[in-house]
This record gives sequence, structure tokens and C-alpha cells, in this order.
Amino acid sequence: AQTVTQSQPEMSVQEAETVTLSCTYDTSESDYYLFWYKQPPSRQMILVIRQEAYKQQNATENRFSVNFQKAAKSFSLKISDSQLGDAAMYFCAYRSAVTQGGSEKLVFGKGTKLTVNP
Amino acid sequence: DGGITQSPKYLFRKEGQNVTLSCEQNLNHDAMYWYRQDPGQGLRLIYYSQIVNDFQKGDIAEGYSVSREKKESFPLTVTSAQKNPTAFYLCASRLRGGEATEAFFGQGTRLTVV
Repeated sequence: AQTVTQSQPEMSVQEAETVTLSCTYDTSESDYYLFWYKQPPSRQMILVIRQEAYKQQNATENRFSVNFQKAAKSFSLKISDSQLGDAAMYFCAYRSAVTQGGSEKLVFGKGTKLTVNP
Repeated sequence: DGGITQSPKYLFRKEGQNVTLSCEQNLNHDAMYWYRQDPGQGLRLIYYSQIVNDFQKGDIAEGYSVSREKKESFPLTVTSAQKNPTAFYLCASRLRGGEATEAFFGQGTRLTVV
């Protein structure tokens, strides 16, 4: 069974600085997708960024980028120029590539609470 | 507007009672999910469904039941067999067939046993 581990329960960063959130996962599959979701105090889950395992290039979305290391099964999220609105819980998630016989199961880590200090 | 609607937002249950949480989506998504969120535990998968009339157990299915009679609806019943049902419940849906299609989430239901 696939598992996702986020080893940092809490992180803090100064406004305008850069922070990196860690995520590792365990799988025997070769094709899959990885996601970072943000959950602000409103508790609405919002997709931050996604990565296809077959793509070597790291995904980027404005101030958000990932460092995807397939061999190490690592998928970290870097937030640049941190803003007060970035304060939230961040969840890493894994899903199999269904087209290769995987299931629809979407598995999440336990989350990292990010605090942004003014 | 398209989206996922969970109701009610807050729900109180007496011990020994079954309760049903509603999840409706008008996004024409095939896959739907139910998660339970507790402090420090992240999102734990209860049940998921890939198509109508089919669903699979997740990691913590004991004490819960679901049905998927319609594409747009995936209700979750918390039975009296669930020993610690007080939690925040999230429903999600996703369009199948694509690649890294994201899951869209509802606003959640906070269930409290009184």
C-alpha cells in the first residue's frame, strides 16, 4: 500500500523569505501523480501544484515549485517570497496512474502547519 | 456554479444513532471520495467510488457505509458501530480519464457526538 510521510508537523517562515516543506512517499509503482494541497483556516482544500511521475521537469506555479526526486521518492514544496496568505496546513498527496492499472485511491500525508511571521 | 456541496455544515449526533452526511457534485465527475480529518492525523480515506454502483473501502471504513446510486451523489452514513465519530468529514470528487486531474473538495461537515 502506498504511504505518504510529512516529517515536519509545523514550520515557520518570515514574510518574503523562502521555505521548503518535505514529503516522502512509498510505492512500488512506476507511474503516479503527486499533489500539494493547501488548507487555510476556512478548511477549504485548494490545489497548489501537481507533478506527473513520468515528467523529469519539476512543476512550478508562480511562487510555488517542487523538487521531485523519483529515485529517492521525495517531493518537496518550495514557497518563495512567502506571504501572510500562505499560512495554512499543507498536505502532500499521492495517486496511482489509473491508465496503468492503478486505483483511484488518493492518499494524503498528515500535513505541515505553516506559519508566516510578519 | 459547478462544485461540491456538503450538508449539513455542523451535525450533532446522540450516541447510538446513525447519521448520514450528504455530498452532491454537479461537476460530472466519476470518482468520489470521503475523508475523515482529525488533528494531527491528516486526511484518512474512508471510502471511494470510481463509478456509479461501485465503491471501495479506504483505510478506515469500519463503522461507516456509503452508496453510489447516482453519479452526482455519494452519501456517507456514520453508524453506531463507529466508536469515535466526532471529526471533520471532507468529500471530494475527480474527473476520471485524464492524467493528473485534481480532486475538488467540499466545505466539510463537522460531526459531534453529544
